[in-house]
Amino acid sequence: SYELTQPPSVSVSPGQTARITCSGDELGEYYASWYQQVAGQSPLLVIYQDKKRPSGIPARFSGSNSGGTVTLTISATQTMDEAVYYCQVWVNKSGVFGGGTKLTVL
Amino acid sequence: QLQLQESGPGLVKASETLSLTCTVSGGALVSTVHFWAWIRQSPGKGLEWIGSIHYTGRTYVNTALESRVTMSVDTSNSQFSLNLKSVTAADTAVYYCAKKDVSWLDHWGQGILVAVSS
Repeated sequence: SYELTQPPSVSVSPGQTARITCSGDELGEYYASWYQQVAGQSPLLVIYQDKKRPSGIPARFSGSNSGGTVTLTISATQTMDEAVYYCQVWVNKSGVFGGGTKLTVL
Repeated sequence: QLQLQESGPGLVKASETLSLTCTVSGGALVSTVHFWAWIRQSPGKGLEWIGSIHYTGRTYVNTALESRVTMSVDTSNSQFSLNLKSVTAADTAVYYCAKKDVSWLDHWGQGILVAVSS
């Protein structure tokens, strides 16, 4: 079955740029989404189709897909961005999530 | 604003069937484009896609669960449902319903914790 690999954790200082990666076989062939899950809350879509932002998501969130790796970039990271982030793709109509990356802002 | 709300028992006995319903409000469940999905999250773990259903009844199910999962849709009540049979402690999780738009999940319910008791 298809697998997406994310680093378990990323740390960043407030105001710095956080980058969270997600890798998988031929990942460039699929559109990726990113979800933010703050502790105790439901996941929230922050990026879709690799790099598009839903309305209401701050412009500091951006995404890219290149060379088998998709990357979520959070510029000027704020303490409110501390959460677990999941990448996700659809492979043959089946949903696949990465294992999640805990972003710590300190 | 589209809203999804999961409902069902919070406790299920091992070997029995877990049954959940998701009610869609503020928008149409009947849509040629959208699918409606179930995702779960075991305590302290990541997200796991369970399956997706179209309003026509067409379904796609996680191969790891397909022998135990059935899904259905009730367009008259704007609801879709999940049945997971022969549950074990490993099925204890928060279960989410969500709307799938092309290739992303843009609306999620608040989730419902279902515990399996022995």
